[in-house]
Amino acid sequence: EAGVAQSPRYKIIEKRQSVAFWCNPISGHATLYWYQQILGQGPKLLIQFQNNGVVDDSQLPKDRFSAERLKGVDSTLKIQPAKLEDSAVYLCASSQGTAAYEQYFGPGTRLTVT
Amino acid sequence: LAKTTQPISMDSYEGQEVNITCSHNNIATNDYITWYQQFPSQGPRFIIQGYKTKVTNEVASLFIPADRKSSTLSLPRVSLSDTAVYYCLVVSYIPTFGRGTSLIVHP
Repeated sequence: EAGVAQSPRYKIIEKRQSVAFWCNPISGHATLYWYQQILGQGPKLLIQFQNNGVVDDSQLPKDRFSAERLKGVDSTLKIQPAKLEDSAVYLCASSQGTAAYEQYFGPGTRLTVT
Repeated sequence: LAKTTQPISMDSYEGQEVNITCSHNNIATNDYITWYQQFPSQGPRFIIQGYKTKVTNEVASLFIPADRKSSTLSLPRVSLSDTAVYYCLVVSYIPTFGRGTSLIVHP
């Protein structure tokens, strides 16, 4: 069974530029999550999708971050414009059911904003 | 959302049993307890989940007392490769990670 795929693995941009991350979840998984993990901290949930719909985006900075999950499969997370404090690892995860019990994580994208 | 509290760090030696306790005083009836392991430069990996009493798999055991206000992850006979950060989550729908417990296993 293929795991959660993410790209790119690394990205370096200057502040005020835009960036996009892509995630392909495990086939058949209804729920998809985007997390931000700052060095030394636990992952922070940004947005949770169930199929096409948003379950929770209460911690997503909506003035600069956006995410979509078209057709209930792949997802993209965008930051525009980026700030220095957005430097972090962005993790995508998926789970089979609607409850967030057993999540499968991708390798993450390490973003550095200079 | 139930908040969890874990020790920030723990040290152990190869071959020992390690027990990491997590407190979750305001756990809700529908919440399950899950544990994840994270190595540097990797995403977290699911280890085990439970609702009450004891759950065991090939990797670990999870002990949950009757009041469910805490849980203990037990790793038998740890090796150097078990050095990682371990996260306890209480979740029914929206997952919330804490800072986790950094376990260092010494030779």
